[in-house]
This record gives sequence, structure tokens and C-alpha cells, in this order.
Amino acid sequence: GQNIDQPTEMTATEGAIVQINCTYQTSGFNGLFWYQQHAGEAPTFLSYNVLDGLEEKGRFSSFLSRSKGYSYLLLKELQMKDSASYLCAVMDSNYQLIWGAGTKLIIKP
Amino acid sequence: NAGVTQTPKFRILKIGQSMTLQCTQDMNHNYMYWYRQDPGMGLKLIYYSVGAGITDKGEVPNGYNVSRSTTEDFPLRLELAAPSQTSVYFCASSYSSGANVLTFGAGSRLTVL
Repeated sequence: GQNIDQPTEMTATEGAIVQINCTYQTSGFNGLFWYQQHAGEAPTFLSYNVLDGLEEKGRFSSFLSRSKGYSYLLLKELQMKDSASYLCAVMDSNYQLIWGAGTKLIIKP
Repeated sequence: NAGVTQTPKFRILKIGQSMTLQCTQDMNHNYMYWYRQDPGMGLKLIYYSVGAGITDKGEVPNGYNVSRSTTEDFPLRLELAAPSQTSVYFCASSYSSGANVLTFGAGSRLTVL
């Protein structure tokens, strides 16, 4: 079967750095997405990786290792507004998105 | 520029009732999707459409129906509502498949009692 694993919940301190991991086992691979979802709101796009390596976008970076079936989202200089769930999703060989259950990130002052 | 608009935002249904969740996008996207989101689980694809007149089942289609008569609209119909359909429903659209980013509607919280 197809599976995406993420930690259920993480806690970090304002101003710090946090890394949210995602491991996947899917039928084929056509890219990995990270979305942010604030409580009671819709998911919004953060990043897309299809090749191995690090993609940096401001305070957020995303890393992919296809051989290890592994990605992480790195958030720097954490702000209170970063409190949200972070969803990892992998596009399989049929171009269908398989979603992880999300990681709830709690930021403490 | 509204993006993806879903209605209603909240609805309570009795078991056996029917209803339609409306979804409209103004971005001229070809692809549209309906997902449901349950606590502790990833988004599950109910139905999707690659263009007007074309629809296909996703991972969890039972108990739902869709139509796509225009590029803009993609309503989701629940027939004979059941408590298992209590969920948050998201409509989304994208220009195509592959690396294209999904734009989501604000969500519809449905409770079946």
C-alpha cells in the first residue's frame, strides 16, 4: 500500500528552528509537496520538490532524498503565525496525490 | 479574483437527507477535485475532473456523486447522508496535473446526525 508518515505534533519556541520530517512509500514518484494549514482554514502551498536536494524559499526550506523516501521541511526564525499543521503529499505514478495526516506545529513564546 | 468558492461553510444534516456542496472557480483551471479531511487522517480524494464533461472516482467515492457541466463549477452531491460522511470537505482546482499547485476552497464542515 501507499503510505506517508509524519509526526503528529511538534512544539518549538518562537525564534528557533524546527525540522518536520516526512517519509513515504508510494507506487512511483512524481514530486513531493508541502502545504500549510491553519486551524479551520484551507491548505496553502509551501513547496514542491521533484529532484534530490534543498529548495530554499525565505524562512522555509524543503529537502528531498528520493533514494531514502524522505523529505523534511525546515522552518527558521519561527514566528507565532507559523503555528499550523504542515501537510506532506506525494504524487504517485498515476499523478494522484497521497497525503500524510499532517504535523501540528505549536509555537511557544 | 475569488479563487475557489465553496458553499455552504457549515451544514447539519439528518441521516438519509441529501444535499449538494457547491464549488466554483474563476481561474480557468481544467482540473477540479473534492477531498474530505477527517481528524488524524490525510486528505482523501472523493472525485476529480480533468475538464468539463469528464469526471472520475477517487479513493473514497461511495455515497457521493459529482458533475462537471462547465469549467467553473464542480458540485458534490451527497445522497442518503450517513454519520460516516461527517467531515470537512474541500474543493480544489489546478491548471493541470503534475507539478501544478492545488488551490483550495475554504472548506465545508458537514455534520450528519
